[in-house]
Amino acid sequence: GAVVSQHPSWVICKSGTSVKIECRSLDFQATTMFWYRQFPKQSLMLMATSNEGSKATYEQGVEKDKFLINHASLTLSTLTVTSAHPEDSSFYICSATNSNQPQHFGDGTRLSIL
Amino acid sequence: AQSVTQPDIHITVSEGASLELRCNYSYGATPYLFWYVQSPGQGLQLLLKYFSGDTLVQGIKGFEAEFKRSQSSFNLRKPSVHWSDAAEYFCAVGPGGGGADGLTFGKGTHLIIQP
Repeated sequence: GAVVSQHPSWVICKSGTSVKIECRSLDFQATTMFWYRQFPKQSLMLMATSNEGSKATYEQGVEKDKFLINHASLTLSTLTVTSAHPEDSSFYICSATNSNQPQHFGDGTRLSIL
Repeated sequence: AQSVTQPDIHITVSEGASLELRCNYSYGATPYLFWYVQSPGQGLQLLLKYFSGDTLVQGIKGFEAEFKRSQSSFNLRKPSVHWSDAAEYFCAVGPGGGGADGLTFGKGTHLIIQP
């Protein structure tokens, strides 16, 4: 089946640093990738939609300058959490899709900001 | 606006017993419906999906779900659960493929399996 790889799976960093998370579609070309955020014991909330070659579309309440998204190729999207603070600590999950695929999810990245 | 309701936050089932997880949705167009399973600290695995056609869909790991338009429901069932089924289950609604919109998820149901 289709596989989406997300890296890193876990990151701990100091407050004020920036963290980049990669989302790769391994066996299909992902025209669209989505980034979700999941707080402990909560559901997934869509943060942004990323179409290859275009600017990402952010959901209401998500700061685009805080969460920078790049989707430069059909197999890679990156989420950069800039100047991260403890309140940014969360589980971030990406998904990838195209016209022939439902959304396939990565294994998530647990981000802990000290 | 689209929404998904999973009324049961926790469900406890004995191993070998049958299971039904409830899901109700609200969606403006013809819904595409999904069930995902998430183990602790892991990503989501697609169990099954409904786009059109037969309203009873079969998924992986012995799961099935039935779409009932009149009740706006898409309940997940399994005739006999195994201890390895303990996990968080999410129902979601959204575009089937290549859609411009992300999925809308329910809040999840935590499944506990008793020996």
